[in-house]
Amino acid sequence: EVQLVQSGAEVKKPGESLKMSCKGSGYDFTNYWIGWVRQRPGTGLESMGIIQPGDSDTRYSPSFQGQVTISADKSISTAYLQWSSLKASDSAVYYCARLVFGLGSRPHGMDVWGRGTTVTVSS
Amino acid sequence: DIQLTQSPSFLSASVGDRVTITCRASQGITSYLAWYQQKPGKAPKLLIYAASTLHSGVPTRFSGSGSGTEFTLTISSLQPEDFATYYCQQLNSYPLITFGQGTRLEIK
Repeated sequence: EVQLVQSGAEVKKPGESLKMSCKGSGYDFTNYWIGWVRQRPGTGLESMGIIQPGDSDTRYSPSFQGQVTISADKSISTAYLQWSSLKASDSAVYYCARLVFGLGSRPHGMDVWGRGTTVTVSS
Repeated sequence: DIQLTQSPSFLSASVGDRVTITCRASQGITSYLAWYQQKPGKAPKLLIYAASTLHSGVPTRFSGSGSGTEFTLTISSLQPEDFATYYCQQLNSYPLITFGQGTRLEIK
């Protein structure tokens, strides 16, 4: 079964660091880009950035550039999303998802999603 | 950035109804548009990609159409399990991917 398994919920204080994970299984992890998506409470979906685990080529959405770091370790089929200093506004659910491509150079969509990691940042 | 505007933002309908959700892009995105369904507390699920191609396992009552700047998601006969929030997503400006603000579909 193709799946992405995300790490568990986190409760942090402002200023703390955090690194969450997304482990792929059931497919060749290096053949698909992985995207990270934020969903703040009661709001919509925001694309944060994407990474190609095979060579760690990473692209960030402008709103998230410099705010988070996306990385991957292909040897353990795992992608990561990390913060060096959390803010209350980082409280959200974070999803990882697999991008699927057709014959063209652009992806068609995100076909496999993790269950999400809930982050609560509060003093 | 390409902006996606969904309408309506909220929709109330009954089981058996035919409903249509519209997604308008601020500039042309050819057919690089996907639709997702999200239920409370769950991850989104891919329904349609390339504007009109049904993802594997998705019921045929779901359909998508459009190209350029205007797209629609249609559910031909609403089932109880279809009440959820629906999002469009553009991938034309990949790697800059954006979502619409969502349409919440509730039972009348």
